[in-house]
Amino acid sequence: DQQVKQNSPSLSVQEGRISILNCDYTNSMFDYFLWYKKYPAEGPTFLISISSIKDKNEDGRFTVFLNKSAKHLSLHIVPSQPGDSAVYFCAASGTGNQFYFGTGTSLTVIP
Amino acid sequence: DAEITQSPRHKITETGRQVTLACHQTWNHNNMFWYRQDLGHGLRLIHYSYGVQDTNKGEVSDGYSVSRSNTEDLPLTLESAASSQTSVYFCASSESRQGGMDIQYFGAGTRLSVL
Repeated sequence: DQQVKQNSPSLSVQEGRISILNCDYTNSMFDYFLWYKKYPAEGPTFLISISSIKDKNEDGRFTVFLNKSAKHLSLHIVPSQPGDSAVYFCAASGTGNQFYFGTGTSLTVIP
Repeated sequence: DAEITQSPRHKITETGRQVTLACHQTWNHNNMFWYRQDLGHGLRLIHYSYGVQDTNKGEVSDGYSVSRSNTEDLPLTLESAASSQTSVYFCASSESRQGGMDIQYFGAGTRLSVL
């Protein structure tokens, strides 16, 4: 059973607007969360992380929000740029070293 | 610069053959992982290792094996390739941190087709 779910397989956003990617998880023992970005024919690259002691982490245009009670996290990209077009995976872990990945959301930023 | 490399990048094989995918990292990381990526499933963990001579099964380990004889390499072997093992395979490594979160660094992937 999928412990980490990304229910939107794809998302299209206009350049300059906000992109919001969502992720839900089922295991209340998860304390560590990562977002990865993946371009075609490349491996995933680390984007941003958050641990359960925080509810928000910001890095430039990227912000991750964590709602532990709802078992939900989201990635906000503001402003969105065409170069952000990629597949985004969220991942969660209870131990910090073994992660469960979601199915990914394909983001297209339209110029 | 430190990196993690996978070879080959593409492989076509026949059912029943033994196949080995290579993964080599120069980060000097203790932890190494193998994943497969399939449509609708995301990345699923096959095997992982926390150090030399240590190997562990992941959620989809049937039909696969790994060995860790040094820090740099974690080859993935398909004992008898099956069409269900057609997939894109990713290797990753991470540094062990006490009480913290380990960021995993991924290779570029190997696309395997089993005919």
